[in-house]
Amino acid sequence: GDSVTQMEGPVTLSEEAFLTINCTYTATGYPSLFWYVQYPGEGLQLLLKATKADDKGSNKGFEATYRKETTSFHLEKGSVQVSDSAVYFCALMKTSYDKVIFGPGTSLSVIP
Amino acid sequence: DTAVSQTPKYLVTQMGNDKSIKCEQNLGHDTMYWYKQDSKKFLKIMFSYNNKELIINETVPNRFSPKSPDKAHLNLHINSLELGDSAVYFCASSQEPGSTQYFGPGTRLLVL
Repeated sequence: GDSVTQMEGPVTLSEEAFLTINCTYTATGYPSLFWYVQYPGEGLQLLLKATKADDKGSNKGFEATYRKETTSFHLEKGSVQVSDSAVYFCALMKTSYDKVIFGPGTSLSVIP
Repeated sequence: DTAVSQTPKYLVTQMGNDKSIKCEQNLGHDTMYWYKQDSKKFLKIMFSYNNKELIINETVPNRFSPKSPDKAHLNLHINSLELGDSAVYFCASSQEPGSTQYFGPGTRLLVL
């Protein structure tokens, strides 16, 4: 079945470090891909998305490129801040009436 | 001016009890969802309604029954609560199936 795999956390970085969170997916066809962020004690928020191959989603300094050939959608940020500490979820959706399938989440802690 | 609200925020109850969680969205969206997030942060969809009609019904025990009295509300009723039901339950809404989902703050359910 369709699934999303993310690198295991927790990930701990110093402020201003470079961030990469790996995400790969298994799905037939051409799913839309998403990154959601969950700050402590809150619900999920959409961070960015890409709907077709080679699309790059970006928001708040975060970027991810839809790579069909490697079935990947890795999240990157050039310089993380303490306020980026959260759990990050990679997700896919195949069609509008399909469910969103989430990865297991990757916890990020940024220390000053 | 909360977009997606849930009540209660915390719910502590005994095994065997029946409880309800309420969700309301003031975004004018047509589609609403219930998700369950377990202790390891794994997030899985339970139900989705579009214009008060059930469109996604994952493999969830019959003890869970969603009810959508109107497009702005999607409540979740749980009968005969079990220890394994302890989790955070998130409500979400979107303009239509497949569009960006907006999550509520979550209801933390603890079954003793």
